[in-house]
Amino acid sequence: SQKIEQNSEALNIQEGKTATLTCNYTNYSPAYLQWYRQDPGRGPVFLLLIRENEKEKRKERLKVTFDTTLKQSLFHITASQPADSATYLCALPFSGNTPLVFGKGTRLSVIA
Amino acid sequence: DAGVTQSPTHLIKTRGQQVTLRCSPKSGHDTVSWYQQALGQGPQFIFQYYEEEERQRGNFPDRFSGHQFPNYSSELNVNALLLGDSALYLCASKGHGADEQYFGPGTRLTVT
Repeated sequence: SQKIEQNSEALNIQEGKTATLTCNYTNYSPAYLQWYRQDPGRGPVFLLLIRENEKEKRKERLKVTFDTTLKQSLFHITASQPADSATYLCALPFSGNTPLVFGKGTRLSVIA
Repeated sequence: DAGVTQSPTHLIKTRGQQVTLRCSPKSGHDTVSWYQQALGQGPQFIFQYYEEEERQRGNFPDRFSGHQFPNYSSELNVNALLLGDSALYLCASKGHGADEQYFGPGTRLTVT
């Protein structure tokens, strides 16, 4: 069956360090993958989209990689700040133009 | 430019009742999707509307229905509420053919 797994439910890191979150998927052939940030009780906020023919994408302190052979995406936040504390969700379509399927998310806590 | 808006913010209903949730998409967007998010889980796709028609549907029973109006706003209706319908209901909009979608703040539904 098709599955998305985000490596851990929770991740604690010290301020200033780089946070690395993992998203693995099985039995998919997604054309792209997206990352969202979600604060408690709020809707997800779109961060980055990376397509299958892109290896890496950057936006300010954020970097996403997409390895279609390993079926894995890595999401990095460099120089992390306490304000980066949130749940981060990865999402991708089963294939083609099908709706997004979301992982359960990883709750990141950046400690000052 | 207003983003996606949803109403109401919170709602408490009794088992067996019916509920209607509302969504206005981001300006320029014509495609609206609805998601259900249980505590500690990622959003689950309910259905998507485009040109006032349901275009795609997730694995939800017929008790969940929707509508899209000519101005692209949308409603989600849930009949015969169950305790398990308690969740955060999210609306997301995008331009037709676009991959990036933008979420509203959600409606927190509690069924007692």
